[in-house]
Amino acid sequence: LAKTTQPISMDSYEGQEVNITCSHNNIATNDYITWYQQFPSQGPRFIIQGYKTKVTNEVASLFIPADRKSSTLSLPRVSLSDTAVYYCLVGDGLGSARQLTFGSGTQLTVLP
Amino acid sequence: EAGVVQSPRYKIIEKKQPVAFWCNPISGHNTLYWYLQNLGQGPELLIRYENEEAVDDSQLPKDRFSAERLKGVDSTLKIQPAELGDSAVYLCASSLDEMDTQYFGPGTRLTVL
Repeated sequence: LAKTTQPISMDSYEGQEVNITCSHNNIATNDYITWYQQFPSQGPRFIIQGYKTKVTNEVASLFIPADRKSSTLSLPRVSLSDTAVYYCLVGDGLGSARQLTFGSGTQLTVLP
Repeated sequence: EAGVVQSPRYKIIEKKQPVAFWCNPISGHNTLYWYLQNLGQGPELLIRYENEEAVDDSQLPKDRFSAERLKGVDSTLKIQPAELGDSAVYLCASSLDEMDTQYFGPGTRLTVL
C-alpha cells in the first residue's frame, strides 16, 4: 500500500517561492504523482501531475527525482489566495488492486 | 463543461437515521470514486467504480454503507443506520479512466447528532 508523507504545515510570505515535498517510498512503476489544492468547504482541485523529471504548467512546477520516491511541488510567487491545504496523491497497483492514497496534507499559510 | 455535481451540500440527521448522497460525474468519465474526509485529514477512498462495476470497495463498511452506480453514470452512497462517527465530508470524484486525473465535487457535509 503506497504511503505518503508530507509536512503538516508551512508558512510563507507573499511573493516568495514555496516548495512542498511529499515522500512516497512504495510508488508503483506505472503510477503518476498528482497534487491537489483544497480550500475550506470545497473539494480538492487538481494542480499538476507528473511521472518523472520536471513538469510545469501555468500555476506550478513538479520536480520528481530519478528514483521517484519523492516529489516536490513548487509554487512561484505565492499570494494570499494560495493559502490552502495541499495534498499529493499516488496510486499503487492496477485494476481492483489499485490503492489510492492521499497524503495527510500540508497547510500552507501565506502571510502579507 | 460542468464539473462533478453532488447533493445535498449539507445534511444533518439524528443517529440511527438513514441518509443518502447523490453524485453526477463529469460527462464521459467512466471511473467514479467516493471518499470520506474527516476534519484535518486527507480524503480516504470508500469505493471506486469502473462504469457500473465496483472494482474496489475494500474500505467500505458494508454493514451500514452501500453504494450503487446504475447505468454507469450517477451514483448514490447510502448509510443506514448512521452513527455519530459518520459525521464527515463525503466527496465524489470522477476520471476518464482509472489512471487519469480525478476531478472532485464540492462534497456533502454530514452531521450526525
